[in-house]
Amino acid sequence: SALTQPASVSGSPGQSITISCTGTSSDVGGYDYVSWYQQHPGRAPKLIIYDVSKRPSGISDRFSASKSGNTASLTISGLQAEDEADYYCCAYRGSGVFGGGTKLTVL
Amino acid sequence: EVQLVESGGDLVQPGGSLRLSCVGSGFTFSNNWMFWVRQAPGKGLEWVANIKQDGSERYYVGSVEGRFTISRDNAQNSLYLQMNSLRAEDTAVYYCARDRGYYVFDPWGQGTLVTVSS
Repeated sequence: SALTQPASVSGSPGQSITISCTGTSSDVGGYDYVSWYQQHPGRAPKLIIYDVSKRPSGISDRFSASKSGNTASLTISGLQAEDEADYYCCAYRGSGVFGGGTKLTVL
Repeated sequence: EVQLVESGGDLVQPGGSLRLSCVGSGFTFSNNWMFWVRQAPGKGLEWVANIKQDGSERYYVGSVEGRFTISRDNAQNSLYLQMNSLRAEDTAVYYCARDRGYYVFDPWGQGTLVTVSS
């Protein structure tokens, strides 16, 4: 089954928000292989975090992530209008599994 | 630039077939597992199939098992998805993605739309 994410979160420009991603000890809790993807409407997903907390080259340090037990979290600080998008987590468990996605609205 | 470009999406009737293609550039295609991931309209991401570097291992989500076949041609830097016995619920944008390891997908193609409808 998919990882559990909140359907939506919102925040004002400049604020910080956190998106959770809850799985099990067989996926999120079992390996340090959680990744996060940003998807703007009509566009392909884009990798923004991998291996729980690593940022690919070119990704703003306003994006950070961590994991505790079976729950991973993505934090976006200093919210900007361009951050408004859908965010998906993904975890390794022998096969891959995605979260259901979270729509971020910047108020 | 590391890039993936899909093609082949179309409108097809239920029960029909379609073959999607994905061409990679800017990286050594044969070094990576490759994936197909789909996204139904207004829905989230769903893993469809993946294939090992040399094509010796292939895996499918249960809903497409026996109907879809993933393949690759490393000489042509190409990934394919043969889709048979298509159903309305297969309607989605299909993305190919490179696995950097442990399900780290980067990059993704731009996606190709498959619509199954009469």
